[in-house]
Amino acid sequence: GPKVLQIPSHQIIDMGQMVTLNCDPVSNHLYFYWYKQILGQQMEFLVNFYNGKVMEKSKLFKDQFSVERPDGSYFTLKIQPTALEDSAVYFCASSLGGYQNTLYFGAGTRLSVL
Amino acid sequence: GQQVQQSPASLVLQEGENAELQCNFSTSLNSMQWFYQRPGGSLVSLFYNPSGTKHSGRLTSTTVIKERRSSLHISSSQTTDSGTYLCAFLNQGGSAKLIFGEGTKLTVSS
Repeated sequence: GPKVLQIPSHQIIDMGQMVTLNCDPVSNHLYFYWYKQILGQQMEFLVNFYNGKVMEKSKLFKDQFSVERPDGSYFTLKIQPTALEDSAVYFCASSLGGYQNTLYFGAGTRLSVL
Repeated sequence: GQQVQQSPASLVLQEGENAELQCNFSTSLNSMQWFYQRPGGSLVSLFYNPSGTKHSGRLTSTTVIKERRSSLHISSSQTTDSGTYLCAFLNQGGSAKLIFGEGTKLTVSS
């Protein structure tokens, strides 16, 4: 089936530094998402993105977070500065449409903030 | 409160037994998906099933929109079915985002 690629699979970073998580969505998809999952806990919505803009963000999407997809390249999640509580697995997803469409997820990037 | 309730929270089976997983939604839904999350963490989409019944191999998903529920049936379970099963829905009237349940952790032993 369609593949969403996430790079890197694991990132270790010191608290206070900046980190960028990269997502290569399915090629013809138009909607993009980031989700956060702390180990052993529920998958939580962070943000969705369409037509170059954030459509909706949750309260977990702090001011230190930003997303972009410059010129149809990677869809990125940037955290600046990082905090210890940002340690989690971050999943990227994409879909062709916003409704009545399957979301395809990447394998996740495990972020460890020390 | 929780918008998506999954039951049971965990389930232990002997290989060959069947499993029935439930998902109940507290709000009207636009569509829903079932996912399998591998022990390593990656997600696999099993069904996109906004309504009715769908089959895929040993898996069957049934969604009843009016009753705000969906079920996932696994027949003749195998040890490789072990992992966490997640349901998620897109609610009506909201923006395009999936809201996940807490999952059912399935363990199948030989």
